Amino acid sequence: QLVLTQSPSASASLGASVKLTCTLSSGHSSYAIAWHQQQPEKGPRYLMKLNSDGSHTKGDGIPDRFSGSSSGAERYLTISSLQSEDEADYYCQTWGTGVFGGGTKLTVL
Amino acid sequence: EVQLVESGGGLVQPGGSLRLSCAASGFTFSSYWMSWVRQAPGKGLEWVANIKQDGSEKYYVDSVKGRFTISRDNAKNSLYLQMNSLRAEDTAVYYCARKPGYSPNDYWGQGTLVTVSS
Repeated sequence: QLVLTQSPSASASLGASVKLTCTLSSGHSSYAIAWHQQQPEKGPRYLMKLNSDGSHTKGDGIPDRFSGSSSGAERYLTISSLQSEDEADYYCQTWGTGVFGGGTKLTVL
Repeated sequence: EVQLVESGGGLVQPGGSLRLSCAASGFTFSSYWMSWVRQAPGKGLEWVANIKQDGSEKYYVDSVKGRFTISRDNAKNSLYLQMNSLRAEDTAVYYCARKPGYSPNDYWGQGTLVTVSS
């Protein structure tokens, strides 16, 4: 059974960079995923589709500060030049099975 | 501009029914799969159901099979979720989301809150 694992929380300073991780369960390391951002009290926002080779396609209007990469069963979301509005929950998703990771709450210090 | 606006949420007693609606605009609604995704208070996102462009294929998470029905009216650019036999664990904000074929949900609504309680 496909499971996506995310750390519950992360933090980084204003202006710094942070790398969030989504780990695919055993046997599913070739799957592509999507990253979504959910700011407090708002609906989710699609950030990007991320393939196993690290190539990614971003959603409309997503700043260059957001990028994705992959290594084995791990999928990464890197946010550079952190801004206060980046403080949010970040979810990974595989859309074929409808599975979401548990989400990572990012705090910008 | 793509817009998805959910409505129909509210307070309902256990065992009751509710019908959610999602009004779509800014894109050709009939060309896209659509999804319902929910989020229980303080919890993460949970996929609920998908429907194909013409309504010929529908998929559900196991926990709602036999109780929820996803449907659409392409003439009205609207998506629906009929929820029957509601349980306390169905309490959540329900989001509709656009789904371009075999791709992730790329636009989301703001959600509508469903509370199941006596």
